[in-house]
Amino acid sequence: GAGVSQSPRYKVAKRGQDVALRCDPISGHVSLFWYQQALGQGPEFLTYFQNEAQLDKSGLPSDRFFAERPEGSVSTLKIQRTQQEDSAVYLCASSWGGLALYEQYFGPGTRLTVT
Amino acid sequence: SQQGEEDPQALSIQEGENATMNCSYKTSINNLQWYRQNSGRGLVHLILIRSNEREKHSGRLRVTLDTSKKSSSLLITASRAADTASYFCATDAGTGNQFYFGTGTSLTVIP
Repeated sequence: GAGVSQSPRYKVAKRGQDVALRCDPISGHVSLFWYQQALGQGPEFLTYFQNEAQLDKSGLPSDRFFAERPEGSVSTLKIQRTQQEDSAVYLCASSWGGLALYEQYFGPGTRLTVT
Repeated sequence: SQQGEEDPQALSIQEGENATMNCSYKTSINNLQWYRQNSGRGLVHLILIRSNEREKHSGRLRVTLDTSKKSSSLLITASRAADTASYFCATDAGTGNQFYFGTGTSLTVIP
C-alpha cells in the first residue's frame, strides 16, 4: 500500500503566520511520531501519538506548537506565530506497534522556511 | 537534545571497502535502530536490535550492541556507491514514548 505522505512538501511562511502541516500515516498504524530536523542534524523528537492519544509532547519546543490526531489516523502539526528558528524539515513517521519499539516508516517531510 | 552520537561524523571510502560507524547513547534502552537518509529525502529503516541481543545481520549490514558500554556499531560490507547517505542510530531511551536520533555519520562511497 501507500507509504507515509506529508503535505505540503514545501511551505514558506512570513514570520508571525500560522502554519498547519499534515501527515497521512500508513493505514492501520497505531503509532505516529513527529520530528524536527535542522540542516545537517539528526531528527529531534517532538511528539508521539498512540492512536488518537497524545502520549508524549515533551519535545515540542514551545506552546506555539500543537499537534493532534483526532481520529487516530491523519495528524496535523500546527505552529502558531512562526519564528525564523522554526525553519526546518518536519518529519512524520508511523509504526504498526505501540510505543517506539518497532520499525518506523517516514514520510518525505515538509520543509518549512520562515522569512 | 540528541540522545546518541555517531562516530565518525564523516567517512569516505572506496567502493568495495567496508564501512564501520559507531553510536553511543546515554540512557537505558529497549531497542536501538539504524536508519539511512539520502540527501533531501526521508529516513529509511535499516535494522532494529533489541536490548537483549548482541548482534544482528541483514544482507550486507551487521549491527552489534553493547549495553554495558551503551554503544552500537553498524558495519556495511562490500560498499557500493548507492550506499552514500547519512546514517543515524536511534533509541527509545527506555520510556518507549520518545525516540531519539544521534547526530549522524555522513558516508561517501567513491566509485
